[in-house]
Amino acid sequence: DQQVKQNSPSLSVQEGRISILNCDYTNSMFDYFLWYKKYPAEGPTFLISISSIKDKNEDGRFTVFLNKSAKHLSLHIVPSQPGDSAVYFCAARVYGGSQGNLIFGKGTKLSVKP
Amino acid sequence: GAGVSQSPRYKVTKRGQDVALRCDPISGHVSLYWYRQALGQGPEFLTYFNYEAQQDKSGLPNDRFSAERPEGSISTLTIQRTEQRDSAMYRCASSSNEGSNEQFFGPGTRLTVL
Repeated sequence: DQQVKQNSPSLSVQEGRISILNCDYTNSMFDYFLWYKKYPAEGPTFLISISSIKDKNEDGRFTVFLNKSAKHLSLHIVPSQPGDSAVYFCAARVYGGSQGNLIFGKGTKLSVKP
Repeated sequence: GAGVSQSPRYKVTKRGQDVALRCDPISGHVSLYWYRQALGQGPEFLTYFNYEAQQDKSGLPNDRFSAERPEGSISTLTIQRTEQRDSAMYRCASSSNEGSNEQFFGPGTRLTVL
């Protein structure tokens, strides 16, 4: 049973427009959420994170929004660039649980068209 | 080193053979994590270490899987009597301290069991 769900396997966006990647979760004990980006033949790289006590975190072109009541988070990329084309993984950690145990979604492949 | 390195990058073995996968974390990083990633899925937690101590091995699928980090730096994930279902990408990650949420991933070892 997937605790972290990324229901869109792929997303295509025009360069310069906004990319919105969504993630839903089922475990109310998650206290920290992360987004990772992965290029082909490389390992995932950390992008941005948010604590459950916040509802927004911004870093340059990347903003993560958290809606705890809906158990939903989203990653906004504005403006999107061709170099953003990658697979994006949403991950979550259980409060008080093993600090190493990040639970990942299946990923969403973003394609930004020039 | 500059990043997390893993060796070998690719490993093909016959069913029933033992394999050892190596992870060299970022120099000075306290925590080291092992994940397994099947095609089309996100990374799935296996085990992690703080220094040389294995803190959580709840994700290891069965007793054919073991991991060690004897000197608190390099780690080895060993799979005994490999089976075809063990075929996957095995990823290692490290983080700078025990409380860090940001894990830096290596490029992975692609294991194929024939």
